[in-house]
Amino acid sequence: GAGVSQSPRYKVTKRGQDVALRCDPISGHVSLYWYRQALGQGPEFLTYFNYEAQQDKSGLPNDRFSAERPEGSISTLTIQRTEQRDSAMYRCATIQRANTGELFFGEGSRLTVL
Amino acid sequence: GEDVEQSLFLSVREGDSSVINCTYTDSSSTYLYWYKQEPGAGLQLLTYIFSNMDMKQDQRLTVLLNKKDKHLSLRIADTQTGDSAIYFCAESKGNNQGGKLIFGQGTELSVKP
Repeated sequence: GAGVSQSPRYKVTKRGQDVALRCDPISGHVSLYWYRQALGQGPEFLTYFNYEAQQDKSGLPNDRFSAERPEGSISTLTIQRTEQRDSAMYRCATIQRANTGELFFGEGSRLTVL
Repeated sequence: GEDVEQSLFLSVREGDSSVINCTYTDSSSTYLYWYKQEPGAGLQLLTYIFSNMDMKQDQRLTVLLNKKDKHLSLRIADTQTGDSAIYFCAESKGNNQGGKLIFGQGTELSVKP
């Protein structure tokens, strides 16, 4: 696609439910990143992939968070047993080549956990 | 991010210059970045500077880097109302970490006509 596409744009869920956030990258972009942005803060790194391989998941807060990119294109960030503190904007970004910092961000998925 | 600090707000009049400041901590950062976030939109890369440069100019934007003090600034000349947005400074985490960036909290720039 022309840009990074994320869905859903807004998700409201009850505490304890699982959620899956989807990222559809720019076609041909090698690397895909997930960031989380709390209100009034900058994005914080969660994890990233080169092609289908998860290279670094050091930013995932705990084992309720997981991500996959099985075919090296679309990625899914899954949060199990959501908690109120998981409420944030989840942003996906992709890079054309692996060694640059020029991130192309999607519009984000805003998650609200009640 | 705790490693990158920015002032939270800046207000200027249309036509004036804006200067947004940032301090960072990782001396091994290869690149430093400025991203812009407009309401309801994703972040967009404005410009970046390689760590061995002191200055980079790109049309109305001037980036100054003081590596000794770990201080980065973004100057916007002839600021327009369309420049109103949140500006994020970011550093790369070590060498060749690609898009694994540490972002500051963002500076909200308000441009008054």
